[in-house]
Amino acid sequence: SQQGEEDPQALSIQEGENATMNCSYKTSINNLQWYRQNSGRGLVHLILIRSNEREKHSGRLRVTLDTSKKSSSLLITASRAADTASYFCATDAGAFGKGITLSVRP
Amino acid sequence: GAVVSQHPSWVICKSGTSVKIECRSLDFQATTMFWYRQFPKQSLMLMATSNEGSKATYEQGVEKDKFLINHASLTLSTLTVTSAHPEDSSFYICSARKVPNEKLFFGSGTQLSVL
Repeated sequence: SQQGEEDPQALSIQEGENATMNCSYKTSINNLQWYRQNSGRGLVHLILIRSNEREKHSGRLRVTLDTSKKSSSLLITASRAADTASYFCATDAGAFGKGITLSVRP
Repeated sequence: GAVVSQHPSWVICKSGTSVKIECRSLDFQATTMFWYRQFPKQSLMLMATSNEGSKATYEQGVEKDKFLINHASLTLSTLTVTSAHPEDSSFYICSARKVPNEKLFFGSGTQLSVL
């Protein structure tokens, strides 16, 4: 399967700081997607970056993709307590990485 | 927006019984649906990929006779956990995709508890 792997597994930051989460994957992709999951279980799509894109922005989110290194990063700027959740990357084949639990302290 | 409905939200069953979970795309046709299971504080583990009208592709280590997947139409896929045992207790979640290389839309998940 095309499993992505995130690093770090858990991240705790102060509100207002930036949070950077990295993901690596093993096989070729058409796109990479980032999702957020609150403790309430539902998954929310955050952003999709295609294999021919290197960077994409959406509000406070910035995603980069390096296909040569098979890696991606998600940056959340000016974090808020409400950003506390688990974040996952996923390949277009539907395989998810391990996930990062982000805790934003008020 | 695209909505994926998953039913039931939770189910409790006795060991040895079979449980069917439905995943429906309500306002779009899903060419592909994915089934996952998730243990507490862990990531989603892809179980199988289901394309309408064809047999599901199972991930390594997932028993196809244990987890029966049917994708008979472009709006419905079902996962049947056959002869469920306590170790099958988990959170199962489906996702659907309109077209290849586009984002996934997720159901709200099913918490299965096998007694």
